[in-house]
Amino acid sequence: RKEVEQDPGPFNVPEGATVAFNCTYSNSASQSFFWYRQDCRKEPKLLMSVYSSGNEDGRFTAQLNRASQYISLLIRDSKLSDSATYLCVVVRGATNKLIFGTGTLLAVQP
Amino acid sequence: DGGITQSPKYLFRKEGQNVTLSCEQNLNHDAMYWYRQDPGQGLRLIYYSQIVNDFQKGDIAEGYSVSREKKESFPLTVTSAQKNPTAFYLCASSIEVNEQFFGPGTRLTVL
Repeated sequence: RKEVEQDPGPFNVPEGATVAFNCTYSNSASQSFFWYRQDCRKEPKLLMSVYSSGNEDGRFTAQLNRASQYISLLIRDSKLSDSATYLCVVVRGATNKLIFGTGTLLAVQP
Repeated sequence: DGGITQSPKYLFRKEGQNVTLSCEQNLNHDAMYWYRQDPGQGLRLIYYSQIVNDFQKGDIAEGYSVSREKKESFPLTVTSAQKNPTAFYLCASSIEVNEQFFGPGTRLTVL
């Protein structure tokens, strides 16, 4: 089983739609979680950290469910510019190493 | 402008040749990392360094070597021992583990 698992998609949604991605992780000792965004053939960039109480940044909301070991990313009012691959990232136990999921591809259609 | 630079952007290598990928940062970050990304797979950690003159193997270090003689620089050598070197190589740096900043990457193709 992979340490971090994501649905690869693609998720094809119209502009203005709300879309949600989930990600599961296997190491219950993981303490830190992030979402990165990666545009086609570009480097990943930090989108947001995921806090236990959930957090919001504009149209983006991230949530953590420790009991079920998954994190989620909700994007409201999708824009064409949101089209990208969204990488779920978990810090492995006490090692401070980032473990990346394979990413979920989002394509927002006009 | 502060940031991370990687060179070259594209690199072609013949089988059996060693190649060195450059990574430079002027963010004054202590920690630097090398990842490779393959289609359908997440980024995998090759080597990392938390301080000058010290580095540790990541999950897939075989066939690679690094050095960290300066804080700003963390070059990666892909040796002929690496069986499947064709990949997208990404260098990153950070102060804290959660704020990793990535360079633009180098696409290595073995001919």
